[in-house]
Amino acid sequence: ETGVTQSPTHLIKTRGQQVTLRCSSQSGHNTVSWYQQALGQGPQFIFQYYREEENGRGNFPPRFSGLQFPNYSSELNVNALELDDSALYLCASSLGGRRTDTQYFGPGTRLTVL
Amino acid sequence: GQQLNQSPQSMFIQEGEDVSMNCTSSSIFNTWLWYKQDPGEGPVLLIALYKAGELTSNGRLTAQFGITRKDSFLNISASIPSDVGIYFCAGRVTGANSKLTFGKGITLSVRP
Repeated sequence: ETGVTQSPTHLIKTRGQQVTLRCSSQSGHNTVSWYQQALGQGPQFIFQYYREEENGRGNFPPRFSGLQFPNYSSELNVNALELDDSALYLCASSLGGRRTDTQYFGPGTRLTVL
Repeated sequence: GQQLNQSPQSMFIQEGEDVSMNCTSSSIFNTWLWYKQDPGEGPVLLIALYKAGELTSNGRLTAQFGITRKDSFLNISASIPSDVGIYFCAGRVTGANSKLTFGKGITLSVRP
């Protein structure tokens, strides 16, 4: 068990709604990365937060946004949900800034958009 | 987005057999990682490789970082039923952030 927790476990929303997903990082880790995993695919990088600042972003539109809090937990917000946003959303925590930085994943939040 | 190349999509082996999985990329990575994902779970790190040519073992698992830095392989020896799952390779380029680029994964089935 990695110590990375995510909530909620499952979520069902309708098109156009907004959603907030939460992640608590492993103790001592200051970096959180978010990934989207569509069915049958590998995880795709959304963005990363390091010490409360966004530290890199993948090819996702601005309606995907995030926050990192002083305790290094993080939120992923998605506005104007689309059907294609249905996926497993994973967060990974790490101790950033090192070449041997290793990311540990949480169990994910399964989002279904109807 | 960019993905690493993993094939075949599925592999079926007999319990006790060895199996090898390959992962290739058109671009160079400084770190290669192998993860395993069970249904309903997040990926779990199996092996991390940080240097070209590096060969690293973790129990029955052995992985190598290709000398060109564009590929890696994972070998599982003497497979057991709990090896069933999806195996992902991931690469990382050292830089401003440590984002991982993943392959599509290989689903491994082990027949008892």
